[in-house]
Amino acid sequence: GAGVSQSPSNKVTEKGKDVELRCDPISGHTALYWYRQSLGQGLEFLIYFQGNSAPDKSGLPSDRFSAERTGGSVSTLTIQRTQQEDSAVYLCASSPAGTGRQPQHFGDGTRLSIL
Amino acid sequence: SQKIEQNSEALNIQEGKTATLTCNYTNYSPAYLQWYRQDPGRGPVFLLLIRENEKEKRKERLKVTFDTTLKQSLFHITASQPADSATYLCALPDEYAGNNRKLIWGLGTSLAVNP
Repeated sequence: GAGVSQSPSNKVTEKGKDVELRCDPISGHTALYWYRQSLGQGLEFLIYFQGNSAPDKSGLPSDRFSAERTGGSVSTLTIQRTQQEDSAVYLCASSPAGTGRQPQHFGDGTRLSIL
Repeated sequence: SQKIEQNSEALNIQEGKTATLTCNYTNYSPAYLQWYRQDPGRGPVFLLLIRENEKEKRKERLKVTFDTTLKQSLFHITASQPADSATYLCALPDEYAGNNRKLIWGLGTSLAVNP
């Protein structure tokens, strides 16, 4: 499809395990965002990639969280040594190059549950 | 720091009526403001963007206003339909910079349109 694709759609894992979440942005979109959405909470910014620039990691909650974007396309968000408070929906969005006035196009997220 | 306030209580209206949702911000007036729709289990979908020099923006049955004096944006859905039932999110840049691509998000207002 032409939209943002995220996988897996659901992930259940035990506390202490590492998880990898994948995002395939819309082709040609140079900006890519990761957000976290918990029940009753707004979208929490995690990290932002723009082209070949250094990513803005200012939203990552701890050093257990990391993300990379290979070849300016696919991105992976990794959470190491997961904790129960990491349970949330992780959303990825992409937008075309240009100013921040471009709308963000979201995937349907990965629902992460830590047991 | 900038904060966004949206009605936390769900809005219930009768089909055919106009729904009005509010987004208030507390600090600087942003260069633009965006509205998104989010359905359960899905990512947000972009609806409208309004710039600081625009008083009003329309798209089909949707209308957004932007009052920098009141620090408020109103989102209207006219001739509402049950299919309009969703959560509506307001988002604006996290600092006054026209090219800033990071958004901060309201918690959203849940709208239910009853047949």
